[in-house]
Order: sequence, then structure tokens, then C-alpha cells
Amino acid sequence: EAGVVQSPRYKIIEKKQPVAFWCNPISGHNTLYWYLQNLGQGPELLIRYENEEAVDDSQLPKDRFSAERLKGVDSTLKIQPAELGDSAVYLCASSSRGVRYNEQFFGPGTRLTVL
Amino acid sequence: QKEVEQDPGPLSVPEGAIVSLNCTYSNSAFQYFMWYRQYSRKGPELLMYTYSSGNKEDGRFTAQVDKSSKYISLFIRDSQPSDSATYLCAMTTYSGYALNFGKGTSLLVTP
Repeated sequence: EAGVVQSPRYKIIEKKQPVAFWCNPISGHNTLYWYLQNLGQGPELLIRYENEEAVDDSQLPKDRFSAERLKGVDSTLKIQPAELGDSAVYLCASSSRGVRYNEQFFGPGTRLTVL
Repeated sequence: QKEVEQDPGPLSVPEGAIVSLNCTYSNSAFQYFMWYRQYSRKGPELLMYTYSSGNKEDGRFTAQVDKSSKYISLFIRDSQPSDSATYLCAMTTYSGYALNFGKGTSLLVTP
């Protein structure tokens, strides 16, 4: 079974430029998450989707970040414009609805460097 | 203060040693406790999860949860160089989806 796929793996841009990250979750997983991981820190949730609906975006900086999950499968996270402080790893994860515990499977992440 | 505290290390041990990794937390609503392993430039992968208090063993790995002390541990027996990675604790409430992670502890097992 294929895991969570993310692209690109690495991205270098100049500040004020736009950037987009793409995620393809595990087939059949209805829940999709975007996490931000700064160097030396644990991942922090940005947004969670149930199918195509964003059910928790309270930690998403909406002035510059946006996300979408069309048709409830693939998802795109966008930053416009990027700032120096956005340099980090952006992780995508997915899970299927379980009885109680929803194990989250993580992709390899996109490492963003803003110059 | 963050809800989950974890010493970032780094921790260096010789091959074959017993490794003890720990986290403390402040939110008494947390019910699921997880340990993830993250190799360099990879995403986190789940090692073990425990519901509520108690112990759980899986091969060389043992997870312990003490809810009365708000303290969780991961023990690695007979550590191998391939265990060298960052270990992240994570936890969530009974009905929660968002994982609350510690900073991660960097472990190096030397041959």
C-alpha cells in the first residue's frame, strides 16, 4: 500500500514569493492533516480536513496561508507571500475513521527555505 | 508553557544499552499517548500507542503511561545503531484528532 505522497520534497524561494505544496493521502483515508514542523520542534497542526471540509483551521494563519482539498482526496497548501519565518518542514498526514483512535500516517514532508 | 514537555537531548548511548525516553504533560484530558520515530529528512512513523494508563510492550520497545503523574516513558532494550533517530511523544484527547507533540529527543546509538 502506498503511503502519503508529498511534493515537492524541497523548495527554495525568495521572500514575498508564493509557494504551494501538494499532498496525496493514503487511499480511502477521509481525514487529512497539514502540520508545520520547525527545526528542533515537534509538528504543530495547521488544518484538518474531513473529506473536503476544513473542520479545524484555528491554527492556520489565514492572512497568508490557504488550503484546499477538492473532491476530498488530494490537498494543496499555499503560502502567499512567503516570509523568512516560514522556513520549516510542512508535513501532510492522513487517517481513516476508527472506532476510537485514529492513527495518523505521515508523508515525508516538504522542506521550505525562504531566502 | 507548552502542554507537552520533552527533553530534546541529544542522547548518546553505546549499542546494547537500555534507553529511557520521557515526556511530561499538563492536560489531564489526554487519553491516547503515542511515540513516533523520525529519521532525518523523513516523516514521523508511529512506534507505539497506549490508551490511558499502563504498560505496552512490542519487541524491544516498552511504553509506560502514568496518568497520576502526567508522565510517559519509552524504553528501548538492546539498542541498535538503526535506532538512531528523533523520538517524538504525542498525545490527544479521547475524541480529539490533533496530536500534541513534544519537541522530540535526538538519540544516537554508537556501535
